[in-house]
Amino acid sequence: AQSVTQLGSHVSVSEGALVLLRCNYSSSVPPYLFWYVQYPNQGLQLLLKYTSAATLVKGINGFEAEFKKSETSFHLTKPSAHMSDAAEYFCAVRSGGYNKLIFGAGTRLAVHP
Amino acid sequence: GAGVSQSPSNKVTEKGKDVELRCDPISGHTALYWYRQSLGQGLEFLIYFQGNSAPDKSGLPSDRFSAERTGGSVSTLTIQRTQQEDSAVYLCASSLDPLGGFEAFFGQGTRLTVV
Repeated sequence: AQSVTQLGSHVSVSEGALVLLRCNYSSSVPPYLFWYVQYPNQGLQLLLKYTSAATLVKGINGFEAEFKKSETSFHLTKPSAHMSDAAEYFCAVRSGGYNKLIFGAGTRLAVHP
Repeated sequence: GAGVSQSPSNKVTEKGKDVELRCDPISGHTALYWYRQSLGQGLEFLIYFQGNSAPDKSGLPSDRFSAERTGGSVSTLTIQRTQQEDSAVYLCASSLDPLGGFEAFFGQGTRLTVV
């Protein structure tokens, strides 16, 4: 069965600092992996996805993630945080069965001046 | 429509009452999903529709929960005899193709409060 673990329910960074949000997955089949962002009182928006092509995936708003099979990881990074990046971030894996998404518990990112 | 639309955006109901939550997916999207997001929790899968059929209902927490989809479009999630633990944000998502690249588009959710 597929599962996702996000390390750190809360992450706080200074504006301009590196953002690193951690995600580890478990999957019995080659995974499809996703990062979604949720701004306050809004639905989820896709940031980026990995679908077995390039291992380094670039997404919107300057975010990127690297698929590392040996580490079963798909960590999300951004070189320089903006105040507008403050939100909740969810890592997800597509299940091998009916193609539903299995989500991690989420990481709330705070950006302070 | 331009995106996934959910109604109502907020619902306050008394314990024991029934509620219906509606989801209008993006036109042409064959796959539709319901998720529940409780305070401080991740997203909990409830049910998946492909067309009008539901191959995976494994996430429905009890027989008080049911969902249907008609015309391959609109879906309704019904909660009977609501309980306080049902309070959560209910999110709907749709996707054009459950295979391949699979991008799911989410609505803004219905915030359900059971008092």
